[in-house]
Amino acid sequence: NAGVTQTPKFRVLKTGQSMTLLCAQDMNHEYMYWYRQDPGMGLRLIHYSVGEGTTAKGEVPDGYNVSRLKKQNFLLGLESAAPSQTSVYFCASSPSGTQYFGPGTRLTVL
Amino acid sequence: AQKVTQAQTEISVVEKEDVTLDCVYETRDTTYYLFWYKQPPSGELVFLIRRNSFDEQNEISGRYSWNFQKSTSSFNFTITASQVVDSAVYFCALKRYGGSQGNLIFGKGTKLSVKP
Repeated sequence: NAGVTQTPKFRVLKTGQSMTLLCAQDMNHEYMYWYRQDPGMGLRLIHYSVGEGTTAKGEVPDGYNVSRLKKQNFLLGLESAAPSQTSVYFCASSPSGTQYFGPGTRLTVL
Repeated sequence: AQKVTQAQTEISVVEKEDVTLDCVYETRDTTYYLFWYKQPPSGELVFLIRRNSFDEQNEISGRYSWNFQKSTSSFNFTITASQVVDSAVYFCALKRYGGSQGNLIFGKGTKLSVKP
């Protein structure tokens, strides 16, 4: 039982490049979330999903897109990366109340 | 609006001291969840505890204890006889009741340093 996994762990992009972060969970959770963590800001929600095929915007959705084609996977896409998107990205999944987090992806945009 | 305030940005203690991390929250909901997460230097977020708003019983787990007071909108976390391994950033968080009610609202965290 791996819990929540995130791929990749680290990534460096140039401004304007695109990439996709993958989150996978093997706990059959309905709800999945993408957060970003910036120094002194805590964690802020980017997008979330309440079930397969659904997505919704969070607090800071601009510049990101998501997809939940399969219940176990939640993808976060950056179409045209900007330096302001340099951050640590965390995925979480939840059966309802408690959210369980993945190990994070450290993204640097130059 | 929902908000979580962790007024202590950083705390430094010597091993074996007791330490309390403060958390004050704001919400108009009558039912909600409160959480504490630990983020050690390795970076992962570790779930510590969840409290439902209708359960004001305090909880103890080993050296950890939590004091939930609805009257003062506080959910404080105490570590007894701190150890170096307790060094981490601790986050308090609030969530609306019900699975579809979106995200966790995090405080900005308290960095705890425990020195030998």
